[in-house]
Amino acid sequence: DAGVTQSPTHLIKTRGQQVTLRCSPISGHKSVSWYQQVLGQGPQFIFQYYEKEERGRGNFPDRFSARQFPNYSSELNVNALLLGDSALYLCASSPTLGARGPNEQFFGPGTRLTVL
Amino acid sequence: AQTVTQSQPEMSVQEAETVTLSCTYDTSESDYYLFWYKQPPSRQMILVIRQEAYKQQNATENRFSVNFQKAAKSFSLKISDSQLGDAAMYFCAYRSAINTDKLIFGTGTRLQVFP
Repeated sequence: DAGVTQSPTHLIKTRGQQVTLRCSPISGHKSVSWYQQVLGQGPQFIFQYYEKEERGRGNFPDRFSARQFPNYSSELNVNALLLGDSALYLCASSPTLGARGPNEQFFGPGTRLTVL
Repeated sequence: AQTVTQSQPEMSVQEAETVTLSCTYDTSESDYYLFWYKQPPSRQMILVIRQEAYKQQNATENRFSVNFQKAAKSFSLKISDSQLGDAAMYFCAYRSAINTDKLIFGTGTRLQVFP
């Protein structure tokens, strides 16, 4: 079975531009979360979507937005890029939302975004 | 708000030896999960081990085990018989028990394994 996939693998943008990152969860997984990992730090939670609805949002500006499609894939959009947005963006999927028990999150390989 | 602290930026261990990575956390919740994730240079975050707060027994997964001290809010990872493939960044993470998948990560510990 395919794991979580993300595209593109790498991306270079300039300040002020907009970017869209894509994530396909594991088949059957309905919950998708997005994390930002700045170099040398742990991942920071950006968004969680479950059944196409936003179910959680981290401390990120409104320039960051996301959505989930009927097939449970997801997009993360970042507008008006800043140099500080340069990071590894990770997507994770899980079968359900915060269920008790082994509701393990599986991570994708990430998209490396560089803002010049 | 919950926080996770990893006070060891780097650790090193000889192959076949044992190493312990430290993690402390702060929360007012009584029901939660704790995790250790491994992130090798390939960037893929891999779950190493999981502990449920309501279980007193420490979790073990082959060469990996944890020392969960709920009262002290401590959650350390012990790697026995270290292998070269264990070299990676290790992140401690916290998740509330209900209605969220949000993980709160520590800053990570880089583990080097020497032959």
